[in-house]
Amino acid sequence: GQQVQQSPASLVLQEGENAELQCNFSTSLNSMQWFYQRPGGSLVSLFYNPSGTKHSGRLTSTTVIKERRSSLHISSSQTTDSGTYLCALGGSGGSNAKLTFGKGTKLSVKS
Amino acid sequence: AQTIHQWPVAEIKAVGSPLSLGCTIKGKSSPNLYWYWQATGGTLQQLFYSITVGQVESVVQLNLSASRPKDDQFILSTEKLLLSHSGFYLCAWSWTGTNERLFFGHGTKLSVL
Repeated sequence: GQQVQQSPASLVLQEGENAELQCNFSTSLNSMQWFYQRPGGSLVSLFYNPSGTKHSGRLTSTTVIKERRSSLHISSSQTTDSGTYLCALGGSGGSNAKLTFGKGTKLSVKS
Repeated sequence: AQTIHQWPVAEIKAVGSPLSLGCTIKGKSSPNLYWYWQATGGTLQQLFYSITVGQVESVVQLNLSASRPKDDQFILSTEKLLLSHSGFYLCAWSWTGTNERLFFGHGTKLSVL
């Protein structure tokens, strides 16, 4: 089956520092999505990025299909960025957007 | 704009008791709908998906069932809860088609005692 590995498992930053989160996958993909999971558990969609680079404010997502990896860059981190970042691989096709989630990177930003 | 509402926000239930969780989507007709589950400290897993009213496909067997009685409503239920059902349940929707972007509800935290 599909394997999705996220690294690092956890990360502690001082406010203002940058972060680079990695997602590696073992099979070909049809889609790659990044989510932010709030401490309470709810999910926020950050990027739908099957290939290339996308920007949203201080966030940048880059997916390189040939290298089977996707990254999420957070610049000038803020305490409100704290939470868990999940990547999800969609590769099975069909009528179901079945995603395989990574275990996440838990980010803690200190003031 | 599309909105997704889940209920209840949290439940504390006894082992062996029934359960019903709900999800409603507004602002989008005929969405694909999904139920996901996350054990405490675990990975999100897809449980069910539905592409149309009355049609639900099971992805993972956890002694749960799902139904889609209306175009905008998705229900997750069981007649007898197990301890292993504890966790966080998330409903999601996507545009019709394959591998589309998912949008999640706020989730329901379930504690089975």
